Amino acid sequence: EAGVAQSPRYKIIEKRQSVAFWCNPISGHATLYWYQQILGQGPKLLIQFQNNGVVDDSQLPKDRFSAERLKGVDSTLKIQPAKLEDSAVYLCASSLAGSNSPLHFGNGTRLTVT
Amino acid sequence: AQSVTQPDIHITVSEGASLELRCNYSYGATPYLFWYVQSPGQGLQLLLKYFSGDTLVQGIKGFEAEFKRSQSSYTLRKPTVQWSDAAEYFCAVGATGGADGLTFGKGTHLIIQP
Repeated sequence: EAGVAQSPRYKIIEKRQSVAFWCNPISGHATLYWYQQILGQGPKLLIQFQNNGVVDDSQLPKDRFSAERLKGVDSTLKIQPAKLEDSAVYLCASSLAGSNSPLHFGNGTRLTVT
Repeated sequence: AQSVTQPDIHITVSEGASLELRCNYSYGATPYLFWYVQSPGQGLQLLLKYFSGDTLVQGIKGFEAEFKRSQSSYTLRKPTVQWSDAAEYFCAVGATGGADGLTFGKGTHLIIQP
């Protein structure tokens, strides 16, 4: 089966600019996650969707980050305006609905804010 | 709140030697535990998971993990490491098998020396 697709792979922007990342989950996966992985740290959950609804966005900095999954398939994560500390790898993951379904991760988008 | 501690930031092992990576967790209920591996520029790949039952879990690529509830530990092992095992290893804990977001440790960087 095709894996989780993310684009772009790399992005370099200046602080205060905006940026958007795209994720296409595995077909049929109802649950979609965005994680932020800062260099030297483990991934941190930003937001979780179940179909097109938000399940958990408690760690999403909502003053600058937004995410949507309008049709319950693809998702977009946006940062506006970006700060230096947003430099990280942004990982998308998906899973089937159900409590025992493992997460499948994409290769991530590496963001550098200068 | 749940947390995961991986006490070793770096571990160096000779090719052909055995491997043990430590993980301790803090969680208020019965945890779901995972080990993921991340190669450079790649997403995370699930090695194995513990949900319940037998505390010694077999995973992919010859890895196994032992869950010890009394010590709040989930130790990853491999009898004979290969050059290709050099990567970042992450321990994670979740409330369910995957339907909820995971909390990751900071990772252990495994270096294989000839």
